[in-house]
Amino acid sequence: QAVVTQEPSLTVSPGGTVTLTCGSSTGAVTSGHYPYWFQQKPGQAPRTLIYDTNNKHSWTPARFSGSLLGGKAALTLSGAQPEDEADYYCFLSYDGPRVFGGGTKLTVL
Amino acid sequence: EEQLVESGGGLVQPGGSLRLSCAASGFTFSRYWMHWVRQAPGKGLVWVARINSDGSAINYADSVKGRFTGSRDTAKNTLYLQMNSLRAEDTAVYYCVGTGKVSYWGQGTLVTVSP
Repeated sequence: QAVVTQEPSLTVSPGGTVTLTCGSSTGAVTSGHYPYWFQQKPGQAPRTLIYDTNNKHSWTPARFSGSLLGGKAALTLSGAQPEDEADYYCFLSYDGPRVFGGGTKLTVL
Repeated sequence: EEQLVESGGGLVQPGGSLRLSCAASGFTFSRYWMHWVRQAPGKGLVWVARINSDGSAINYADSVKGRFTGSRDTAKNTLYLQMNSLRAEDTAVYYCVGTGKVSYWGQGTLVTVSP
């Protein structure tokens, strides 16, 4: 089974920009992996921020964007807010199984 | 309003069974693939199973293959997960999740496997 890798933790200053990445042990991540990004705050259910690489939901703040970058899926947060402090998970589709990354704990400090 | 509501969790002994349900509303449930995802206490998200739009194709994580069975009833707008031969390591909050533009999450239902 493929392994999906994320940075375990990142820190961003309020108002700053940070990019979270999502890599695959099988090689480059492409649009064919249909990357998703989920946000989870303590004690809450996750919610989907990005689906199919770069599509946003109506509730996704405009400061979040998804892309492919250097063979990985990427989630960029531009203009971080204190409320963005959370765990972020990426999710990739393979031929059959789906795999989550281990999550990135984002601190806004 | 689009909504997913899971139910059916609880305390079960090792080797026991449970059936989880996920009731969908506010969107055309029959059009979309659905996933089951779980999260053990203090741990990350783990994919469990994917069911295609008509329930004819289902994929499972290796850790549950042969023990869990996913299904859906489009007339009832409900997704199911039959869990047999439960183990302590199956203890988790179980979520149903939509796909694509209906990638909503339910609030989860807690399954605890313990003597």
